[in-house]
Amino acid sequence: SQQGEEDPQALSIQEGENATMNCSYKTSINNLQWYRQNSGRGLVHLILIRSNEREKHSGRLRVTLDTSKKSSSLLITASRAADTASYFCANVRAGGTSYGKLTFGQGTILTVHP
Amino acid sequence: DGGITQSPKYLFRKEGQNVTLSCEQNLNHDAMYWYRQDPGQGLRLIYYSQIVNDFQKGDIAEGYSVSREKKESFPLTVTSAQKNPTAFYLCASSEQGSYYEQYFGPGTRLTVT
Repeated sequence: SQQGEEDPQALSIQEGENATMNCSYKTSINNLQWYRQNSGRGLVHLILIRSNEREKHSGRLRVTLDTSKKSSSLLITASRAADTASYFCANVRAGGTSYGKLTFGQGTILTVHP
Repeated sequence: DGGITQSPKYLFRKEGQNVTLSCEQNLNHDAMYWYRQDPGQGLRLIYYSQIVNDFQKGDIAEGYSVSREKKESFPLTVTSAQKNPTAFYLCASSEQGSYYEQYFGPGTRLTVT
């Protein structure tokens, strides 16, 4: 399967700084979603952005989508130690039989130092 | 308390044995999914089901089987044909359709020796 790519693979910052993670994908999409995973746990949904949207906010999270470049970014502002986790982007392909199926990127490991 | 439960949290099996992982949800979701996660990797889709008594292969279905006899349950069997079964297995559910988030269970870590 074609998976998205995320960069950086790992990001280490100090509490209070902003964290930016990027995600690229290969096919036309219906929507793109970001998830968070604490070590050894299940994933938690953060935000969904549709293909006709360019930017979306949720609390300290800001997601952008550029369909011409097939890329998205997740910005976490004023980071906290509790934000330490792995962050994954996942997309739903447009059309075909990909109804509801998510294709995940490799993830970015974020470490926020107190 | 709504959500998805997976059991057990840790599972150990000998090579050559089939093993079934449990996934139950009380969110009244039509769609359910099974993913596999290897260390440092993203999730790969094994099987998914959009409605009771129907399921489709995902990207890495070989060596796995599923059933969907009840809306709330979607068990995954890892058969002896799966060459590298040791992994973290995650179950998820969602409303049916493309614009819905998926809700994940806590996962089952399977170790086969």
